[in-house]
Amino acid sequence: DTAVSQTPKYLVTQMGNDKSIKCEQNLGHDTMYWYKQDSKKFLKIMFSYNNKELIINETVPNRFSPKSPDKAHLNLHINSLELGDSAVYFCASSRYETQYFGPGTRLLVL
Amino acid sequence: GQQLNQSPQSMFIQEGEDVSMNCTSSSIFNTWLWYKQEPGEGPVLLIALYKAGELTSNGRLTAQFGITRKDSFLNISASIPSDVGIYFCAGLLLTSGSRLTFGEGTQLTVNP
Repeated sequence: DTAVSQTPKYLVTQMGNDKSIKCEQNLGHDTMYWYKQDSKKFLKIMFSYNNKELIINETVPNRFSPKSPDKAHLNLHINSLELGDSAVYFCASSRYETQYFGPGTRLLVL
Repeated sequence: GQQLNQSPQSMFIQEGEDVSMNCTSSSIFNTWLWYKQEPGEGPVLLIALYKAGELTSNGRLTAQFGITRKDSFLNISASIPSDVGIYFCAGLLLTSGSRLTFGEGTQLTVNP
């Protein structure tokens, strides 16, 4: 009965690699999000999709590319990973105002 | 852009004590949300507030949406060790395309 799920939970990789994080929600929500949480625990939105259409694109390097194959999935692909990309990435979904978060993907770039 | 100031940054309390934390904004919001994040987990919604002046409870938790729409507080009564975690306020302005603005978080430690 998982609501918002993400894979993988942990991701350790070398600088310069390309990696993807997957997110799925079974809540029937129309809107999905990606957030980045830095080492100081600050949460900042990166992207938002509504019905597979991009509606929020914050100032994020274009090495980050979200893809929404359908309403229930929002994946995040990161090219040419850098040390500063190390963080926890959270997926979330909502129908109206209330957003529900996934468990997070802990990315460590070495 | 919108800024949310959340205080205090951290609290160390004894089990059984009451706790209060608050958030203030330079802008008005349509919705205030309070989340709790435990280590290794994602934020979990505690309380959602949709109207100015609204006071809502969830067990030992009580939160209010300020009359000015620029602030909100969360109270926890009779704290227990499992209340430990980071508490985040978040504000939503409907014209911002569902963009939640988060406070910096309040790290709560409860000593048994």
